[in-house]
Amino acid sequence: EDQVTQSPEALRLQEGESSSLNCSYTVSGLRGLFWYRQDPGKGPEFLFTLYSAGEEKEKERLKATLTKKESFLHITAPKPEDSATYLCAVLGAAGNKLTFGGGTRVLVKP
Amino acid sequence: EAQVTQNPRYLITVTGKKLTVTCSQNMNHEYMSWYRQDPGLGLRQIYYSMNVEVTDKGDVPEGYKVSRKEKRNFPLILESPSPNQTSLYFCASRQQGPSYNSPLHFGNGTRLTVT
Repeated sequence: EDQVTQSPEALRLQEGESSSLNCSYTVSGLRGLFWYRQDPGKGPEFLFTLYSAGEEKEKERLKATLTKKESFLHITAPKPEDSATYLCAVLGAAGNKLTFGGGTRVLVKP
Repeated sequence: EAQVTQNPRYLITVTGKKLTVTCSQNMNHEYMSWYRQDPGLGLRQIYYSMNVEVTDKGDVPEGYKVSRKEKRNFPLILESPSPNQTSLYFCASRQQGPSYNSPLHFGNGTRLTVT
């Protein structure tokens, strides 16, 4: 069974204080690892897909990386608008569902 | 605008009173799915549909039904809701594609309370 564990559960940062979120996973036949952002009262919003170890993707202050066992979401010089819950999910060999981690709640204080 | 639309956004009901949560997408996606999100348990898949008239159970299907009569619509039916179905529900869709790895697009959720 596919499993995803995210750490830490919560992260408080000062504006400009860079940090990393971890996503550890076990999956049979990785078709893709996905990062989403979720704001309170809204549905998850797609950020990145990573397909193979060594791959990196960037978007503004966010950078996602992938190894065979984990993914990192690096937040560089965060701003208060980066405050959200970040979700990691894997798509396994069957291709019929995303398995999500519990998320990391990020709060960036000005 | 490309979107997944769920209705209602908020719903309070009583045990045993049948209800339907509607979901519609305007992106011509083959694949649609329902998830529930609970504190400490994250997002868990209830049902999914690979295409019209094709549905299958996810991880937590008990107490739920779905139908896929048209490509754009995927309603979630609770025939006899119980308090343990109080949750935040999300509908999602994606292109099917040969690798199945297109990103899921989510609706804004339906917060259901069953008393």
